[in-house]
Amino acid sequence: AQSVSQHNHHVILSEAASLELGCNYSYGGTVNLFWYVQYPGQHLQLLLKYFSGDPLVKGIKGFEAEFIKSKFSFNLRKPSVQWSDTAEYFCAVKSYNTDKLIFGTGTRLQVFP
Amino acid sequence: DGGITQSPKYLFRKEGQNVTLSCEQNLNHDAMYWYRQDPGQGLRLIYYSQIVNDFQKGDIAEGYSVSREKKESFPLTVTSAQKNPTAFYLCASSTERDRGSVDGYTFGSGTRLTVV
Repeated sequence: AQSVSQHNHHVILSEAASLELGCNYSYGGTVNLFWYVQYPGQHLQLLLKYFSGDPLVKGIKGFEAEFIKSKFSFNLRKPSVQWSDTAEYFCAVKSYNTDKLIFGTGTRLQVFP
Repeated sequence: DGGITQSPKYLFRKEGQNVTLSCEQNLNHDAMYWYRQDPGQGLRLIYYSQIVNDFQKGDIAEGYSVSREKKESFPLTVTSAQKNPTAFYLCASSTERDRGSVDGYTFGSGTRLTVV
């Protein structure tokens, strides 16, 4: 069965620090990959997605993610975080031959001024 | 504006009662989904439906039931058989241009169910 692992459960950073959140998935075939963000009290929003092509994907608010097929990874990065990036971040995977989006357990990011 | 409406936002029920959570979308999306969100466990898929009058079990369907009589609506019933129903429930919808891609999912704002 497909699974998604997010190794960092809780990350605490100061403003201007760099961020990298890990995401690994288990499915060996063609996949679509997503990062979602949930700000406190708000609903899930799409940060970025990968379908095909350039493995380095740029999303909203300065986030980017790199798909490394050989490592089954899709890590999320941001060079310099802001206090407003405090949120919970979810990696998600959809395999080509199913209609289900499988989520990781989420990473809670806290950014202090 | 197009979107997904979940109601109510907060719901309290007594143990042993069935309760139905509403999810309506005006995005003309074919597929709809129900997820349950628990702290430290992320989002887990309960049921999903790709077309009207058809739905499939997700990873944690036991104790839940759904219907899809209209394209716009995908209500979720939490039955008394669900052992631990207190949770945050999220509804989502999506459209697929072709089998190999999906234009992301649109999520509702969720319903927080508390069973006392």
